[in-house]
Amino acid sequence: GNSVTQMEGPVTLSEEAFLTINCTYTATGYPSLFWYVQYPGEGLQLLLKATKADDKGSNKGFEATYRKETTSFHLEKGSVQVSDSAVYFCALSITRQGAQKLVFGQGTRLTINP
Amino acid sequence: EPEVTQTPSHQVTQMGQEVILRCVPISNHLYFYWYRQILGQKVEFLVSFYNNEISEKSEIFDDQFSVERPDGSNFTLKIRSTKLEDSAMYFCASMETGGRSPLHFGNGTRLTVT
Repeated sequence: GNSVTQMEGPVTLSEEAFLTINCTYTATGYPSLFWYVQYPGEGLQLLLKATKADDKGSNKGFEATYRKETTSFHLEKGSVQVSDSAVYFCALSITRQGAQKLVFGQGTRLTINP
Repeated sequence: EPEVTQTPSHQVTQMGQEVILRCVPISNHLYFYWYRQILGQKVEFLVSFYNNEISEKSEIFDDQFSVERPDGSNFTLKIRSTKLEDSAMYFCASMETGGRSPLHFGNGTRLTVT
């Protein structure tokens, strides 16, 4: 079946530290991969995506590369800020009959201390 | 930027009562979804809806659940007779076209069943 496994949280870092949140997936077919972010009190926002192998998604200093050989889509940022504190969800999507269905990882809570 | 809006933000109901969660998707979007997140667990797919009918539903979406798009702008999720285990955050999402377009999520409705 289709599933996503994320690094266990919570993760606490100091401002300007390097961030990696690991994500691996299992899928039939060729999924698209996503990172969503949930800031306190808000909904899920798309952070970045990659639709095929070796694609790199990037946004707001975050990056993730679609690695088919290791079935991974790790999220990285070179220098985190306090405002990056949020819950991060890795997800894959399967498209069937035009409708996209997202399968989420369990989420990783990130706290950045000044 | 247009957004998906959900009301209410928090709903408390007694076990056995019917509850309706409301969503206004982005106006030109064609695909609509409900997801839920039980506290501390993964975000789970419930149902997708396209062209005025359900296109896919999960095993969670049993006979107690129904969805409707009554007037071309609202998209509702009804739970006929709530159970304690229905307590969760419910997210509505919409997508503009099929295939690999991103999903846009609302801020969620926190449902508490007592």
